[in-house]
This record gives sequence, C-alpha cells and structure tokens, in this order.
Amino acid sequence: DTAVSQTPKYLVTQMGNDKSIKCEQNLGHDTMYWYKQDSKKFLKIMFSYNNKELIINETVPNRFSPKSPDKAHLNLHINSLELGDSAVYFCASSYDRSSYNEQFFGPGTRLTVL
Amino acid sequence: AQSVAQPEDQVNVAEGNPLTVKCTYSVSGNPYLFWYVQYPNRGLQFLLKYITGDNLVKGSYGFEAEFNKSQTSFHLKKPSALVSDSALYFCAIEDYGQNFVFGPGTRLSVLP
Repeated sequence: DTAVSQTPKYLVTQMGNDKSIKCEQNLGHDTMYWYKQDSKKFLKIMFSYNNKELIINETVPNRFSPKSPDKAHLNLHINSLELGDSAVYFCASSYDRSSYNEQFFGPGTRLTVL
Repeated sequence: AQSVAQPEDQVNVAEGNPLTVKCTYSVSGNPYLFWYVQYPNRGLQFLLKYITGDNLVKGSYGFEAEFNKSQTSFHLKKPSALVSDSALYFCAIEDYGQNFVFGPGTRLSVLP
C-alpha cells in the first residue's frame, strides 16, 4: 500500500549508458515531481507534471527526459549517463498544483555512474 | 527569486531538552512555508506547513513552527526532543506557483 513507489531502489551503471527510473503513486494525485539530491543533500526540483502535462522544467540537461503515460506515473529516462549524474533521485506527488499542497515523496533511487 | 536559508548545518540537543531548527526565507510575496524530515535512506516526510492564519502551526510527531513575517523566519520547534527525532530537516518555500525551493537542510542529533 505504498503511496509513492520508485524502481529501482539502486542503480549502478557505466558512463554513456541509458537508464530509466519509474515512479508510481496510488494517491490519486494530479501532480508529480522529480527531484535530484546530491551528495551534500541539496535537493533541487527537476520536473513537474500536472495531469500528464509538463509544468516545470528546470535547467536540466536534455539528456534527462520525463514521461508521464498517465497521471499516476512519471518516469525519468536518462541518456548518455555522466559521472555527475550520480545522486539520489526522488519522485513526489501532490494533490494538485496548488502551491499550498504538501508533497509526498518516494523512497528514492540511488544512481551511481562509474 | 525566492530562497530559503537554514543557518545551521548541524544541531545537537540532549534528549528531553527543547529543540529549535532555524529557517529564514526571502520571497517577493506572501509565502507558503513547509518543514520536511528525512530519515537515513528514506524519502522526505511532510511535518507541517504555514499557509495563512495563526502564526503557530502544529504538525506531526509533536513538532510546531512559528511564522514570523517581520523576521522572515519559520523556525521548527519541539518542547522535548527524542533520540528518534535525529534526522535531516528541510525547510521549503512556495511562492504562488513559483518553484518549490528547499533549504540546504539541518542535521539534528538528539543525544541520549
């Protein structure tokens, strides 16, 4: 009955590879997010989708491409992985895009690029 | 652009003592302010938020926070700390549809 789930939990891969991280929420929320948390624990928003439409696209390399097949899923595909992509990636969701709604976070995916 | 500062990287407090984790912000309008907690190897969990109304907001696990507009602060407090409160705490701000911005985090250690 996990509210926001991510797979995989750990991802170890070589530079130059392409990988995907999946996220699903069963809360019936309209809005979903991807965040990157670096080794210093700084947390930065990457993307936000509302009802399958992109609403926030921060300054992220275009090697990162989010895809939302339906409002319960927001996947993150990364092409040509680089060492600097190593981080923990968190998916989150909120009831809708209203600013006053809190977000519910997934457990994170630790990506290590060798 | 809005920003959030958490001036202390680390806060140490003895179990049973009151704790305060500080947060100050900078925003052009009226902010929505949030506190989240992150336990090791876990995602963030929502603790509490200030939207409008009473400046003192109460949240999960006995935490509370006071919104102070003149000092642009939103400090997190708890009257009596528990060892299990040891975690990373993030203050966050949302400014009417702008991006959700997190502070750098404060690591709280509660010593038995």
